[in-house]
Amino acid sequence: AQSVTQLGSHVSVSEGALVLLRCNYSSSVPPYLFWYVQYPNQGLQLLLKYTSAATLVKGINGFEAEFKKSETSFHLTKPSAHMSDAAEYFCAVSAGGTSGSARQLTFGSGTQLTVLP
Amino acid sequence: DAGVTQSPTHLIKTRGQHVTLRCSPISGHKSVSWYQQVLGQGPQFIFQYYEKEERGRGNFPDRFSARQFPNYSSELNVNALLLGDSALYLCASSLYAPGFTEAFFGQGTRLTVV
Repeated sequence: AQSVTQLGSHVSVSEGALVLLRCNYSSSVPPYLFWYVQYPNQGLQLLLKYTSAATLVKGINGFEAEFKKSETSFHLTKPSAHMSDAAEYFCAVSAGGTSGSARQLTFGSGTQLTVLP
Repeated sequence: DAGVTQSPTHLIKTRGQHVTLRCSPISGHKSVSWYQQVLGQGPQFIFQYYEKEERGRGNFPDRFSARQFPNYSSELNVNALLLGDSALYLCASSLYAPGFTEAFFGQGTRLTVV
């Protein structure tokens, strides 16, 4: 069984400030971890992924996340927020392994990021 | 290259009716998954299909069913619609192979049940 908890359903930052979105996971097997972004009336776009290689993962648009097994966390950060970063962000987990059938994603409830001018 | 395409983009149905949602995966992708996203929540896994066979099922009632066609496109069917079925339904396509394979999402179908 696997689950994801995103702390903070709404986060507001000023343009140029640090963005920190929190994600904690639970998984009975080594996980794959993901961050997705969703703009209004659109589907999900993959920002970055952790698949058991480097623990610090760099993604698109300047975002990065660090996998911390001891803390069961995968927090998303960006050094300097831009107005275009305003969107909803979802953390997701899936079971690792070699079976293609183990590829279903379990999502957190999302964090709405507001960027203030 | 075309991404994942879903149709229709929006529809309104009445309680008790039946609905069919359609998805065409990215060319070369043989697996399709369906997710339900209720307003204010994260997506929830409904089904995964590969080579016309169900490979995974989430915790949804039997009113939900799906199928995959020889061209790898897919349909999601929901019978006896309830108000609570109102949601954004997302389709994701992926390769089906050992190890990690990324899921690419369509823009979704917004279903409103009145």
